Amino acid sequence: GQNIDQPTEMTATEGAIVQINCTYQTSGFNGLFWYQQHAGEAPTFLSYNVLDGLEEKGRFSSFLSRSKGYSYLLLKELQMKDSASYLCAVGDSNYQLIWGAGTKLIIKP
Amino acid sequence: GAVVSQHPSWVICKSGTSVKIECRSLDFQATTMFWYRQFPKQSLMLMATSNEGSKATYEQGVEKDKFLINHASLTLSTLTVTSAHPEDSSFYICSARDGREMNEQFFGPGTRLTVL
Repeated sequence: GQNIDQPTEMTATEGAIVQINCTYQTSGFNGLFWYQQHAGEAPTFLSYNVLDGLEEKGRFSSFLSRSKGYSYLLLKELQMKDSASYLCAVGDSNYQLIWGAGTKLIIKP
Repeated sequence: GAVVSQHPSWVICKSGTSVKIECRSLDFQATTMFWYRQFPKQSLMLMATSNEGSKATYEQGVEKDKFLINHASLTLSTLTVTSAHPEDSSFYICSARDGREMNEQFFGPGTRLTVL
């Protein structure tokens, strides 16, 4: 079957760094996406990885290892506004997104 | 980036009535549109996939006669919740995919439906 696993909730301190992990097992692979979703709002795109390695975009970085079925989202210099759910999604062989349940990130002052 | 709009943003209706939600791609042609539902504190749940000019493909457990999807043009898809009941109250989100960019979906802002 298809499966995306990520932690349910994480807590971090303002100004710190946090890493959100995602492991996946899917039928086919056409890239891995990270989305941010604030409560009551639709998801917004953060990153896309299709090749192994690290993609850096400002305070956010995303890493992919296809052989391990593993990705992480790294958030640096955390700000209070980063409190949100972070969704990991994998494009399967039909280019359909398979979604993880999301990781709720709580930022404390 | 590509923009997807949804209308209405929120709607309150009485039990037994039907509600139509529109999803529009504003600056690109969406060959495929997706409809999701999200209950509080839960992840997105794909309801159906619609391709322009053809019937929608519904996920297991989603009643196609209750959730009518029409994708009549490359920029518009509609979801009609027929005979809505309180358990249909949810956050409905559409996304659209550009035929040239198969990997990315662009999300609308969502529609919050409350059925009394």
